[in-house]
Amino acid sequence: DIQMTQSPSSVSASVGARVTITCRASQDISSWLAWYQQKPGKAPKLLIYAASSLQSGVPSRFSGSGSGTDFTLTITSLQPEDSATYYCQQGNRFPFTFGPGTKVDFK
Amino acid sequence: QVQLQQSGPGLVKPSQTLSLTCAISGDSVSSNSAAWNWIRQSPSRGLEWLGRTYYKSKWYNDFAVSVKSRITINPDTSKNQFSLQLNSVTPEDTAVYYCARESDGGSSFWGMDVWGQGTTVTVSS
Repeated sequence: DIQMTQSPSSVSASVGARVTITCRASQDISSWLAWYQQKPGKAPKLLIYAASSLQSGVPSRFSGSGSGTDFTLTITSLQPEDSATYYCQQGNRFPFTFGPGTKVDFK
Repeated sequence: QVQLQQSGPGLVKPSQTLSLTCAISGDSVSSNSAAWNWIRQSPSRGLEWLGRTYYKSKWYNDFAVSVKSRITINPDTSKNQFSLQLNSVTPEDTAVYYCARESDGGSSFWGMDVWGQGTTVTVSS
């Protein structure tokens, strides 16, 4: 199985701050990566697909980059509603696997 | 607007079969441009993809090796829904179960863009 790791595991930031989350795959997955946001008690919500494409309806302060094994999710100008856990997922090989998550909250 | 509505019991006894259904509105289970997935989430295992079904001139399934001997995912075209059956459950199968649509990105991965509301399933006697 392809192992997905994320760093940091948690981050505390101020409103308006720039936050960067890193996701690493244990082998080359090209651009077959998605990012999700999950709030407590809710299903994950797709933010980014194909590593860097913004899902329809998602604010433009979210962006994704990377290919191969190293990827980043960036939130520019963090907003209160961005408090959540963020997951990456690879869709290159079965089984599709998720990262362990990065919890974002506010100072 | 595509919506997925999950149904099924929240409590299953050990060794029995977990059965959940995901009803689709706004899309078709027979769509040539989507796959229909089951994913679960638990504190110990995180988010875990279980399998999917999709139609490309005929029906196909893909399953996680970890559950392959116990899992069935079936489409029901008459009701426009798909189901999950997981046999011989143990307390380790306790989790929140989600159904989700994966749009077909062709040469890229478009992710799971529509999710069900989640069903908490507890395996206990």
